[in-house]
Amino acid sequence: SQQGEEDPQALSIQEGENATMNCSYKTSINNLQWYRQNSGRGLVHLILIRSNEREKHSGRLRVTLDTSKKSSSLLITASRAADTASYFCATGAPGAQKLVFGQGTRLTINP
Amino acid sequence: EPEVTQTPSHQVTQMGQEVILRCVPISNHLYFYWYRQILGQKVEFLVSFYNNEISEKSEIFDDQFSVERPDGSNFTLKIRSTKLEDSAMYFCASSPTSTGGLAQYFGPGTRLLVL
Repeated sequence: SQQGEEDPQALSIQEGENATMNCSYKTSINNLQWYRQNSGRGLVHLILIRSNEREKHSGRLRVTLDTSKKSSSLLITASRAADTASYFCATGAPGAQKLVFGQGTRLTINP
Repeated sequence: EPEVTQTPSHQVTQMGQEVILRCVPISNHLYFYWYRQILGQKVEFLVSFYNNEISEKSEIFDDQFSVERPDGSNFTLKIRSTKLEDSAMYFCASSPTSTGGLAQYFGPGTRLLVL
């Protein structure tokens, strides 16, 4: 079964620095989505990249997708304390409706 | 901006009791989903629902679970006889079409604790 697996599992950086999180998966996908989850809260959709796209931007977020390597990265530039959260990638397969989530990266931004 | 809402935010129940978790998806969305997240673990897909029937379900979604869209706005998940291992955060989500091309939008979740 396909899986999204993020690395690192935890990342701690200083405010203002850039944060990069990676996600790998195993099978063909239609799209890959990134979500943020603040502690004990719901999932907030950040960005979706389709399998025929290589890069996408949204504000301080930049997502890349390399389907040959079955991997994606999420870059948060100029990090802020409010970016402290867990970040999950989730993949959607062709013909399937479910999203398959990775284990997540726990990001801590130190002021 | 339209949001998915869920009630209750927290529910505590005794093992063997039935629970119903409620969701109001975004109004023009056609696909509805339930996921769960056991504490410290991945978010797991349970079921998707379209055109008043289940369109996909996971191995987790056994006979103890059922979903219903009783009216034009609510979407419910029923757990018939809860077990300790059903303790988790349950998320409802909706999307305008199948996830092939568009995002799924999640509600804030219901934290279920089975004692």
